[in-house]
Amino acid sequence: QTVVTQEPSLSVSPGGTVTLTCGLSSGSVSTDYYPSWYQQTPGQAPRTLTHSTNTRFSGVPDRFSGSILGNKAALTITGAQADDESDYYCVLYMRSGVWVFGGGTRLTVL
Amino acid sequence: EVQLVESGGDLVHPGGSLRLSCAASGFTFRSYWMHWVRQAPGKGLVWISRISSDGSSTTYADSVKGRFTISRDNAKNTLYLHMNSLRTEDTAVYYCARDLGTDWYFFDYWGQGTLVPVSS
Repeated sequence: QTVVTQEPSLSVSPGGTVTLTCGLSSGSVSTDYYPSWYQQTPGQAPRTLTHSTNTRFSGVPDRFSGSILGNKAALTITGAQADDESDYYCVLYMRSGVWVFGGGTRLTVL
Repeated sequence: EVQLVESGGDLVHPGGSLRLSCAASGFTFRSYWMHWVRQAPGKGLVWISRISSDGSSTTYADSVKGRFTISRDNAKNTLYLHMNSLRTEDTAVYYCARDLGTDWYFFDYWGQGTLVPVSS
């Protein structure tokens, strides 16, 4: 069974830069997995940040950027702000026609 | 404005059934794939099912295959999730989400979710 891995928690200072990653329990993440990233605050629906590896969704600030770093997908937040404190989820599309979310990363801004 | 509004969440006993609905507006519903994603209390997001724009193709996560059925009525702009043989571990907020389809494979708009507690 495919497992998508994310850091359970990360922290960043206000104004700092942080990179969240999204890997596979077996193998490397590539653009063929169409990685996308979502932000969620408690009690709210997820908000789409990036898709197709590195395309920013409409209305998302350019301090959020997606990429492939090594064998993982990555979401980099530059110039972190207090309201970036949220849970972040990546999801990968599998050729079998299913999608698999990572376990999520809780980002603290302090 | 794209809107997705889920409904139908209710307390159900283990072994019971329930049908969720997702009413879509603000876009051409019949042109988009649609998904259901759930989130157990205090846990992460889990993808559970996808249906193609015309309803001819569906896929499911292993955890719900054979118990849940996704369907859609393009004339009513509505997505459904029929859930049978419910288990306590199916307790979650259920979200519907839109997908542009082939070569996109991501969820661009989400509903606010509907809670399904499964408990005796």
